[in-house]
Amino acid sequence: DVKVTQSSRYLVKRTGEKVFLECVQDMDHENMFWYRQDPGLGLRLIYFSYDVKMKEKGDIPEGYSVSREKKERFSLILESASTNQTSMYLCASSLNPGQGGGYTFGSGTRLTVV
Amino acid sequence: AQKITQTQPGMFVQEKEAVTLDCTYDTSDPSYGLFWYKQPSSGEMIFLIYQGSYDQQNATEGRYSLNFQKARKSANLVISASQLGDSAMYFCAMREGRSYNTDKLIFGTGTRLQVFP
Repeated sequence: DVKVTQSSRYLVKRTGEKVFLECVQDMDHENMFWYRQDPGLGLRLIYFSYDVKMKEKGDIPEGYSVSREKKERFSLILESASTNQTSMYLCASSLNPGQGGGYTFGSGTRLTVV
Repeated sequence: AQKITQTQPGMFVQEKEAVTLDCTYDTSDPSYGLFWYKQPSSGEMIFLIYQGSYDQQNATEGRYSLNFQKARKSANLVISASQLGDSAMYFCAMREGRSYNTDKLIFGTGTRLQVFP
């Protein structure tokens, strides 16, 4: 069964910690995405990547960075976690538009920063 | 800039009745795709239905249909014969960008649907 796997379902971190959220897909998709989901705001795009070592800023990149060293893995990094980064984080992957196909999502990581 | 608007924060429907969830969008690109996703309380995003901007007919998938009105820029989801298991958060989303490095999915704020017996 093809899928997108996020390494942690729940995570609690302290303010100021460096936090890594990992996402792995086994579908050989070119594109990968990180979203955060907050009540009343829907899903907002943080960063996306269309190829290894390539990245593009989404709508809310401040306070985050990403890494894509291998095609199947896309990491979201919180350099110095803050309480306003407490949220649900969703990873997704897709084929390029020209190749059709939709998006596949991971199960999400609920991050709490205390 | 592209935008998705869902104006219904919450909706109630009785079991076996039909319900329409509203979605309007804004884009200047003639080529785009519209998606609906379901998110149960467990958190996973479940793909429901897709409509391409050049598709001539409204998309249907089982009990789900998409009422696509291009001139009005609306893409409402219709769920027929609601079931208790349909209770969830529903998101409308738009894919804009035909080139590989601009492809991304933009979401609305969601509608929480509750189905009661």
